Amino acid sequence: ETGVTQTPRHLVMGMTNKKSLKCEQHLGHNAMYWYKQSAKKPLELMFVYNFKEQTENNSVPSRFSPECPNSSHLFLHLHTLQPEDSALYLCASSQPGTGGYYEQYFGPGTRLTVT
Amino acid sequence: GEDVEQSLFLSVREGDSSVINCTYTDSSSTYLYWYKQEPGAGLQLLTYIFSNMDMKQDQRLTVLLNKKDKHLSLRIADTQTGDSAIYFCAEARRRGSTLGRLYFGRGTQLTVWP
Repeated sequence: ETGVTQTPRHLVMGMTNKKSLKCEQHLGHNAMYWYKQSAKKPLELMFVYNFKEQTENNSVPSRFSPECPNSSHLFLHLHTLQPEDSALYLCASSQPGTGGYYEQYFGPGTRLTVT
Repeated sequence: GEDVEQSLFLSVREGDSSVINCTYTDSSSTYLYWYKQEPGAGLQLLTYIFSNMDMKQDQRLTVLLNKKDKHLSLRIADTQTGDSAIYFCAEARRRGSTLGRLYFGRGTQLTVWP
């Protein structure tokens, strides 16, 4: 247990559906992250939130909509996805500091299949 | 280059040592990390090294850092079948980086044969 939970663990959705992924961290961290992990591709950082504010969006298509209502919770709202969006979606949290040490703790991921 | 580089595959026999190599990009990166990912799971932090160190040992794990060449390695002694996983190196860059962001390599799939 890393202190970061993700639900659901598995999700199958059609291209016209709307669903949401949830991440919760119990570590008291101030930063949260969404990553996409596809087969045969590098880990892709999607979004970064620091103190509930989005600080990075790596050109993610608008069919992915993040929400961070507080420092402990992070959502990824999904709508009109494409089959190529099928992947493992990982959430992570950390406590960034100017000293440079900010290990990230990862959740177990949500395995998303778009049909 | 701009990417953290790792070889994609490594196979070893049980009981041998494994060495996973990584080349990172920013000579001013303060911390470098090794993560392990088992099938169907998230990434688990294995160990890290601060940039002013050359070596760090933690039980069966030895991390070596060559700052001049920006080269990082992870040695696993007495490799076991339970060590089979994907290993990622990551750097915490100082230059032009969002605070807290880590840059990951593509991962090395370690397979341990009995």
